[in-house]
Amino acid sequence: SQTIHQWPATLVQPVGSPLSLECTVEGTSNPNLYWYRQAAGRGLQLLFYSVGIGQISSEVPQNLSASRPQDRQFILSSKKLLLSDSGFYLCAWRLQGANSPLHFGNGTRLTVT
Amino acid sequence: DAKTTQPPSMDCAEGRAANLPCNHSTISGNEYVYWYRQIHSQGPQYIIHGLKNNETNEMASLIITEDRKSSTLILPHATLRDTAVYYCIVRVGNAGNMLTFGGGTRLMVKP
Repeated sequence: SQTIHQWPATLVQPVGSPLSLECTVEGTSNPNLYWYRQAAGRGLQLLFYSVGIGQISSEVPQNLSASRPQDRQFILSSKKLLLSDSGFYLCAWRLQGANSPLHFGNGTRLTVT
Repeated sequence: DAKTTQPPSMDCAEGRAANLPCNHSTISGNEYVYWYRQIHSQGPQYIIHGLKNNETNEMASLIITEDRKSSTLILPHATLRDTAVYYCIVRVGNAGNMLTFGGGTRLMVKP
């Protein structure tokens, strides 16, 4: 069966510091991969998605970037964090070419101080 | 993408059926209806999805109106653990990107 791993679970970082969040999927090949962010008490905002290695689509211009160095690895990065980058970051995957649903990781709660 | 409208909150008595409505009046013919739920501080969990026919699985039933402009998620015997925010989204099934989740319905199951 497929599983998704996302780490760390919580992170406190100072303003101006770099960020790297990692997500890996097991048990499937060539999945679509997604990064979402959720502000406190709000819905989920799609940040990036990828349909293959090295292929990244950005939904919202921001202080963040994403990379997919391997088929089942998705990384969210920032060179310099802002206070507004605080939030709950969620990685998700789904099968390509089908009406398959999203499957989410347990998320990373980022606090920028 | 079709926009969805859900009530912000609902209450349900434990053991009773919870019926969560979703309006998607601008849905197009190839868009599916997906339902997810999010328990506090966890990632969203997939529940069920459908195109035009009613669907049922071990978690819930999805009733889609004949004109497909609205749907209802039914939790047949709600438990306290079903307390969560429920999201209804519509999306073309094989599209690469996925719709941003809106505010959803906060379901409170009460003893």
